Amino acid sequence: KQEVTQIPAALSVPEGENLVLNCSFTDSAIYNLQWFRQDPGKGLTSLLLIQSSQREQTSGRLNASLDKSSGRSTLYIAASQPGDSATYLCAVTDFGNEKLTFGTGTRLTIIP
Amino acid sequence: KAGVTQTPRYLIKTRGQQVTLSCSPISGHRSVSWYQQTPGQGLQFLFEYFSETQRNKGNFPGRFSGRQFSNSRSEMNVSTLELGDSALYLCASRDSVYEKLFFGSGTQLSVL
Repeated sequence: KQEVTQIPAALSVPEGENLVLNCSFTDSAIYNLQWFRQDPGKGLTSLLLIQSSQREQTSGRLNASLDKSSGRSTLYIAASQPGDSATYLCAVTDFGNEKLTFGTGTRLTIIP
Repeated sequence: KAGVTQTPRYLIKTRGQQVTLSCSPISGHRSVSWYQQTPGQGLQFLFEYFSETQRNKGNFPGRFSGRQFSNSRSEMNVSTLELGDSALYLCASRDSVYEKLFFGSGTQLSVL
């Protein structure tokens, strides 16, 4: 059974700093890994999708990496802004049953 | 393209009642999946439909059911509501496992 873990559960950093969020998963047989952000009471917004054959994806100030063999992914946020404050979740699509398994998320607060 | 649309946005029911939630996916997306989000359990997969067929099902009791119509719109039904069913129910769509998953804003269900 796939298990996805995100540590830390919460993180506060001053505005302007670069930061890294971590995601680990137990079963490397995945199609892909996706990073989402969720604002309070809202749905999820997809940030980046990394296919299992890829090592990283970039979008603006965001960079996500994937090391399938070690079961890890990181989301790097450069030059953080208060608008980046949200909960960040990673999810893997399991090979074979195609459902997404989510981590519990990291609640990020950027301090102005 | 319009995003994933979920109705209603908020719902208040009492124990024992039943409820139907609706989801309209992004035009052209054939896969619709449903998730339950609670503070204690996080995001949990309910089921996924593809071209009107249930392709995957999570570990929820039979009180939770769904269906998908020929236009890809989906409904989720919960019968004999329990207090523990209070949650944010999220619907998501995509065209294939290799593509990003797009979420609606969710239906906040409160069971009193």
